[in-house]
Amino acid sequence: GAVVSQHPSWVICKSGTSVKIECRSLDFQATTMFWYRQFPKQSLMLMATSNEGSKATYEQGVEKDKFLINHASLTLSTLTVTSAHPEDSSFYICSATKGGAQETQYFGPGTRLLVL
Amino acid sequence: AQKITQTQPGMFVQEKEAVTLDCTYDTSDPSYGLFWYKQPSSGEMIFLIYQGSYDQQNATEGRYSLNFQKARKSANLVISASQLGDSAMYFCAMREDRDDKIIFGKGTRLHILP
Repeated sequence: GAVVSQHPSWVICKSGTSVKIECRSLDFQATTMFWYRQFPKQSLMLMATSNEGSKATYEQGVEKDKFLINHASLTLSTLTVTSAHPEDSSFYICSATKGGAQETQYFGPGTRLLVL
Repeated sequence: AQKITQTQPGMFVQEKEAVTLDCTYDTSDPSYGLFWYKQPSSGEMIFLIYQGSYDQQNATEGRYSLNFQKARKSANLVISASQLGDSAMYFCAMREDRDDKIIFGKGTRLHILP
């Protein structure tokens, strides 16, 4: 199978602090990783596409200075929510793909962020 | 423009009945893939089924089948013999082969009644 993990699974933090979320592909090398955000009862919204060793490509409307993405290796990508505010509270999900047109994305279990 | 449309925000189906979840899509790319994912209350995204734009036959995976009508740009998910554990949110998604991004529809919440 293809397993993707995320850490932490949930986090509560004070407004103004920064939070780092890790996404790891455990049994495969991920050519590309993706970060999504999901508000309650809504769909997944793609935030950015991350390729190992290069800068992330952010979707329109996503602040790159607010959501820092680092893709240091073929098995690890991190999302840092800088100076988090209550409106950043959401469910953040990463996914990874092995590459190839017919490859699905394998999703991590998600991270619930609550900013107080 | 919205690329994936799921017109059913919620559905209630009796256990053991078949259910069809609707999905239409829009793309100018001749090469693309269509996906269905299940998201239970735990939040994890579970991959169900994939259909490539050039696939001649409808995809099937166990109780799941994808009714692919290319001319109508339709990719409905059919779940046969529904079970209580099928209650979840279901997302239709598309990836245009010119890039790796998967774009999701708004989802359909399926409730299976005992």
